[in-house]
Amino acid sequence: DGGITQSPKYLFRKEGQNVTLSCEQNLNHDAMYWYRQDPGQGLRLIYYSQIVNDFQKGDIAEGYSVSREKKESFPLTVTSAQKNPTAFYLCASSISSSGNTIYFGEGSWLTVV
Amino acid sequence: KQEVTQIPAALSVPEGENLVLNCSFTDSAIYNLQWFRQDPGKGLTSLLLIQSSQREQTSGRLNASLDKSSGRSTLYIAASQPGDSATYLCAAYGQNFVFGPGTRLSVLP
Repeated sequence: DGGITQSPKYLFRKEGQNVTLSCEQNLNHDAMYWYRQDPGQGLRLIYYSQIVNDFQKGDIAEGYSVSREKKESFPLTVTSAQKNPTAFYLCASSISSSGNTIYFGEGSWLTVV
Repeated sequence: KQEVTQIPAALSVPEGENLVLNCSFTDSAIYNLQWFRQDPGKGLTSLLLIQSSQREQTSGRLNASLDKSSGRSTLYIAASQPGDSATYLCAAYGQNFVFGPGTRLSVLP
């Protein structure tokens, strides 16, 4: 089935650790996105990529990093510089970055312990 | 900067009722507006996309309208069912998608 796969579903991070969230899509989409969702708030854009080997910061990029070495993969690293990383992280993709229908993965829960 | 709000924050209705969810955006220079459904602990599922040149879109029991000049969109759900219980989010697309906080809907059997 075509879609977006995020892993792991649940992740626990110790203080000072970097962790990486995986996002893979087999929809042949050029654009990919990472969002953060906190309770009672809308989604906030962390990073997005319009094409392989290119990405741009979103509204809350500080403490996060990404790479886009392959069209189907857009991993997100939550670094120790992110002071409040506990949240629900959503990866998404669309055919292009021109406002087409956007498709989401099932999300990853990150908790700091 | 685009801001998107949704009213009400939560809504509880008996099964069978027709209902309206509201979405407001501050910058009318958008290309489209999308409505999504989110079940607890899950990702978002796209329901309807309305292009800026359109007034409304329909899919089954769902109808979404768009009034760019007033910065408003509504999602109409007909004959609500318990399976419609979820959080509904709207997102306005200008340079990027800007999401509202969502309306949490409970349909009681």
